[in-house]
Amino acid sequence: GQSLEQPSEVTAVEGAIVQINCTYQTSGFYGLSWYQQHDGGAPTFLSYNALDGLEETGRFSSFLSRSDSYGYLLLQELQMKDSASYFCAVRDQGYSTLTFGKGTMLLVSP
Amino acid sequence: DTEVTQTPKHLVMGMTNKKSLKCEQHMGHRAMYWYKQKAKKPPELMFVYSYEKLSINESVPSRFSPECPNSSLLNLHLHALQPEDSALYLCASSQEGRADGYTFGSGTRLTVV
Repeated sequence: GQSLEQPSEVTAVEGAIVQINCTYQTSGFYGLSWYQQHDGGAPTFLSYNALDGLEETGRFSSFLSRSDSYGYLLLQELQMKDSASYFCAVRDQGYSTLTFGKGTMLLVSP
Repeated sequence: DTEVTQTPKHLVMGMTNKKSLKCEQHMGHRAMYWYKQKAKKPPELMFVYSYEKLSINESVPSRFSPECPNSSLLNLHLHALQPEDSALYLCASSQEGRADGYTFGSGTRLTVV
């Protein structure tokens, strides 16, 4: 089975940098993904790491360490619109289905 | 077209009603999914279609019946639902065998009364 742990809530101020961690336990590993979901909206794909290291996409970066079963999402130059829930997700063995962590609610204040 | 379109956006139904949720994508994705999401919870997988065939049913009650008429369409037929089935129902699609990016629809907010 799959198990993912991430903090339930993180708070930060505009312009700051925040890191959302995710640890996972899986029977087989095929990559770690991150999704953003605004309240009442659809999850939106942010990033995917299949190999160790850092992937950068604009203000967002994602990191993976397969040996530590650990990854994080780094959000820089925070904006109010970044207030949302962020989910890490792993692919289930043998399929392209995703299992999601419980989600981290990010609250950005002025 | 890079979207997954779901209709209706909101649905209120009685426990004796029959209704259907619809999902459409034109990205050529051959894997399509139904997820259920309760408030403040992560999406939970219900069904997976791969090349228009049902490949995964996550022990979903038979009052939920999926259908994939063609490679672009996915339906979820609802019958005799319970109030606890009220949730956001999300459709998603991806390229088969890829885990690096699902495209989700905006969902159907279902309320069972």
